[in-house]
Amino acid sequence: KNQVEQSPQSLIILEGKNCTLQCNYTVSPFSNLRWYKQDTGRGPVSLTIMTFSENTKSNGRYTATLDADTKQSSLHITASQLSDSASYICVVSANQAGTALIFGKGTTLSVSS
Amino acid sequence: DAGITQSPRHKVTETGTPVTLRCHQTENHRYMYWYRQDPGHGLRLIHYSYGVKDTDKGEVSDGYSVSRSKTEDFLLTLESATSSQTSVYFCAISESKGGPEKLFFGSGTQLSVL
Repeated sequence: KNQVEQSPQSLIILEGKNCTLQCNYTVSPFSNLRWYKQDTGRGPVSLTIMTFSENTKSNGRYTATLDADTKQSSLHITASQLSDSASYICVVSANQAGTALIFGKGTTLSVSS
Repeated sequence: DAGITQSPRHKVTETGTPVTLRCHQTENHRYMYWYRQDPGHGLRLIHYSYGVKDTDKGEVSDGYSVSRSKTEDFLLTLESATSSQTSVYFCAISESKGGPEKLFFGSGTQLSVL
């Protein structure tokens, strides 16, 4: 069964600290892996998209890594800000179309001052 | 939210009544999607459209129908709402430009079926 598992379920960190979110998947075949940020009451916003051949991609203070051999990905947030408080969703796709996305349940990050 | 407007933003209705949610885009993207988001689940695809009058079912399509008569509008209808359809509904759009299609999401509609 195609699944995307994220850990931890929730996380609280102090402003300015770094953190890493994890994503394990069993989706096959594999085409690409995406990370989204979802603020409370809003729709998800794309942070990164990585294909099979990419193992790192950055978007500002967000850096995603992909190990397609172990089927694991991580999202590292550097120097966290209060505005980073959100749910972070890992999404794996079996093809390049938008119709085959398998969404994780998300990690809820709270950044406190 | 990338030129996507969902309406209404909030709706409360009673079991058995019909409900229509609207998604309007100004990006002229070919593909449009309806997802639902529930606690304890990742987003799940209900229906999608790859052009005017071209639609197909997603993972959780039972109890829902869709229509797309214009490129910019994608309607989701619950013919007879049930309490299990209480959820947050998101519309998304994308365009095929080679490589993985990037989805842009609307702000969602919170639907409560009492």
